[in-house]
Amino acid sequence: GNSVTQMEGPVTLSEEAFLTINCTYTATGYPSLFWYVQYPGEGLQLLLKATKADDKGSNKGFEATYRKETTSFHLEKGSVQVSDSAVYFCALVNYGQNFVFGPGTRLSVLP
Amino acid sequence: ETGVTQTPRHLVMGMTNKKSLKCEQHLGHNAMYWYKQSAKKPLELMFVYNFKEQTENNSVPSRFSPECPNSSHLFLHLHTLQPEDSALYLCASSVRDQAEEQYFGPGTRLTVT
Repeated sequence: GNSVTQMEGPVTLSEEAFLTINCTYTATGYPSLFWYVQYPGEGLQLLLKATKADDKGSNKGFEATYRKETTSFHLEKGSVQVSDSAVYFCALVNYGQNFVFGPGTRLSVLP
Repeated sequence: ETGVTQTPRHLVMGMTNKKSLKCEQHLGHNAMYWYKQSAKKPLELMFVYNFKEQTENNSVPSRFSPECPNSSHLFLHLHTLQPEDSALYLCASSVRDQAEEQYFGPGTRLTVT
């Protein structure tokens, strides 16, 4: 079946540091890939997505590139802020199947 | 009002109570979902409704009873819950199921005492 693996958290960074959160997946066919973010006390918000190989999703300074050869969709940001502190979920969906979410990675950014 | 709304945001109930969670989406979507988010566990899909018809029930105990009267509203009726049912219950919607990104509500934080 389909699955998503994320790096273990928590990840703690200083403000303006470079962020990478690794995500790899197992799926048949050509899934769409997503990053969701959950701020404290809130639901999940779609951060960015990519629907085919080599697509780059980007939003709010975050980027992720759909790499089919390595089955990866790593999230990156060049300079994190305290307000980026949240839990980040990698997810995929294949047509005709349900969404699959990773376990989430908690990010804490210190001033 | 826009997006996906959920009420109440917080709920404390005893094990013998009956309560309901409500979800409403203002996005014109046709599919709606209930998820359970517990501490230190992955997001668990509970129910899926597509065009008001239930298409998925992930072996959820019968003390959780969903209802979808139309494509914009989704309820989760709760009765005789257990303390381990305490969690954040998230509602989501999408244009149709199994193919599109999902939009989430803020969740209902449920505590069973």
